[in-house]
Amino acid sequence: SQQGEEDPQALSIQEGENATMNCSYKTSINNLQWYRQNSGRGLVHLILIRSNEREKHSGRLRVTLDTSKKSSSLLITASRAADTASYFCATVARGNNRLAFGKGNQVVVIP
Amino acid sequence: DTAVSQTPKYLVTQMGNDKSIKCEQNLGHDTMYWYKQDSKKFLKIMFSYNNKELIINETVPNRFSPKSPDKAHLNLHINSLELGDSAVYFCASSLFRTNPYEQYFGPGTRLTVT
Repeated sequence: SQQGEEDPQALSIQEGENATMNCSYKTSINNLQWYRQNSGRGLVHLILIRSNEREKHSGRLRVTLDTSKKSSSLLITASRAADTASYFCATVARGNNRLAFGKGNQVVVIP
Repeated sequence: DTAVSQTPKYLVTQMGNDKSIKCEQNLGHDTMYWYKQDSKKFLKIMFSYNNKELIINETVPNRFSPKSPDKAHLNLHINSLELGDSAVYFCASSLFRTNPYEQYFGPGTRLTVT
């Protein structure tokens, strides 16, 4: 089954800096989503971008999607300690009805 | 509180035992899911029910049997537990007719098989 693959795997930044993480996938998709998982908790939906969209914003989050390169990026601006979490991208392939999650990026924001 | 809840939060048991994990959502969603997250944090779907009907059944050993008594509940029963079943199991739900892919996750059940 198709999977999103995030890159890099771990990121450590100072509070106030921006954090960028990438995700690549292998097949044609209907949409791509980003989720956050705090340590020991369930995943929280952050943002969904459809295959015909190139960029989307939600608060301090900016997501881009390049379907020609089969990749997406998540940018968190002005990071806060509370942003420390694992971030997962998840794709829904065309003709499919399920989310395929990638491995996740661990982001640590140092106060 | 409106949420997806799971019980128990932690489950430690021996190989060969049978155990169940329960999930409930009060969000009015019509679709529920079970995911397994392994030690490397890789998350994989196991099952999905829409209006109490099974719509996704991934390649999962038949020792795992989901059961949905109603739209708000999806339980997972595991027979003859094995060491490799140790993982965190997440329940999730969504409203399929409007946005099936915005899923709301429970807090997880950490299963340890010894």
